[in-house]
Amino acid sequence: KAGVTQTPRYLIKTRGQQVTLSCSPISGHRSVSWYQQTPGQGLQFLFEYFSETQRNKGNFPGRFSGRQFSNSRSEMNVSTLELGDSALYLCASTRAGNTGELFFGEGSRLTVL
Amino acid sequence: EDQVTQSPEALRLQEGESSSLNCSYTVSGLRGLFWYRQDPGKGPEFLFTLYSAGEEKEKERLKATLTKKESFLHITAPKPEDSATYLCAVAGKSSGDKLTFGTGTRLAVRP
Repeated sequence: KAGVTQTPRYLIKTRGQQVTLSCSPISGHRSVSWYQQTPGQGLQFLFEYFSETQRNKGNFPGRFSGRQFSNSRSEMNVSTLELGDSALYLCASTRAGNTGELFFGEGSRLTVL
Repeated sequence: EDQVTQSPEALRLQEGESSSLNCSYTVSGLRGLFWYRQDPGKGPEFLFTLYSAGEEKEKERLKATLTKKESFLHITAPKPEDSATYLCAVAGKSSGDKLTFGTGTRLAVRP
């Protein structure tokens, strides 16, 4: 069974640019959530989607947005990049109603110069 | 707001030297406490879910326990392959499916 796939794995952007990250969940998983991981803050929740609807959102500015498609694949977008957005962005999927048992991808490492 | 604090930040053990990692939490109505393992360059890997005080779960050399204020991850006779960062997370009744993570304990086991 294929795991959670995130693309791209690595990317470098400059301040002011925007970026889109993609996530394909495990087949049959309809819930997708996104986390930002930095050395100082650890994993911080960005948002969670279920059946194309955003069910929960973390404390991030409006520059961070996401969406989910009918096939459960998800994308997140960060506009007007800042240096502090450099981080590992992790996507996780889970079966509906299975809070906490998340299956994570390997992440997209974003560097903002 | 849910909070999770893990200690120690880093731990170095000799192979076979048992120890425990601590996870202290505050949450409004615990729905579950979760332990994950993260290897360098990888996403976290789910280990255990604990739902109520007194509950215990075991997997190979790992045993997780839960009280009303903290959880422990006991590592018995660790091996070098147990080296990783161990993350604790909670889900509260008011937070939906959002998990609040601690910053983790980096474990290094020397042969």
